[in-house]
Amino acid sequence: DGGITQSPKYLFRKEGQNVTLSCEQNLNHDAMYWYRQDPGQGLRLIYYSQIVNDFQKGDIAEGYSVSREKKESFPLTVTSAQKNPTAFYLCASSIGGGPYEQYFGPGTRLTVT
Amino acid sequence: KNEVEQSPQNLTAQEGEFITINCSYSVGISALHWLQQHPGGGIVSLFMLSSGKKKHGRLIATINIQEKHSSLHITASHPRDSAVYICAVSGGGYGGSQGNLIFGKGTKLSVKP
Repeated sequence: DGGITQSPKYLFRKEGQNVTLSCEQNLNHDAMYWYRQDPGQGLRLIYYSQIVNDFQKGDIAEGYSVSREKKESFPLTVTSAQKNPTAFYLCASSIGGGPYEQYFGPGTRLTVT
Repeated sequence: KNEVEQSPQNLTAQEGEFITINCSYSVGISALHWLQQHPGGGIVSLFMLSSGKKKHGRLIATINIQEKHSSLHITASHPRDSAVYICAVSGGGYGGSQGNLIFGKGTKLSVKP
């Protein structure tokens, strides 16, 4: 079955540690996205990538980093510079970088204490 | 003021009722998306539309481009429809930025048996 996987579903880290969230898709999509969701707020775009080896900052990129070395993978690293890292993180992909339907992964809930 | 506003924020209905969720936006768009988020956090795309009306089963989505307004209707609601419904718009920019979504805060729907 084609789809997007994120792992793990729940992640706990101590403050000051970097942590990498995994996102893999087997839909052969060119574009991939990382969003953050906080209670009472809409999803916000962290980073996006329209093609392998290229990515762009979204609205809230500070304290995050990404890589896109393979078409199917778009890992997100939450660095110690991110002031409020505790949140629900969602990865999505679409066939291209234009206005296409986006397919979402199940999300990773990160808690930093 | 948020660029994408949804109403109501919360909605409780009895099974069988006709439900309407509204979305207004203040930016130029290339498409509007309706998404469904279940309690576990996963998000599913319900509709993507840029004009007129789309129907899928008991769900109907309409958009009025001139008024910058969209509605999601659920006919014969059922407890399994209980979820958060999110309106998002694809930007009216150029190229890859058209894929970037601006999200509303969501409408939490609870359908009682």
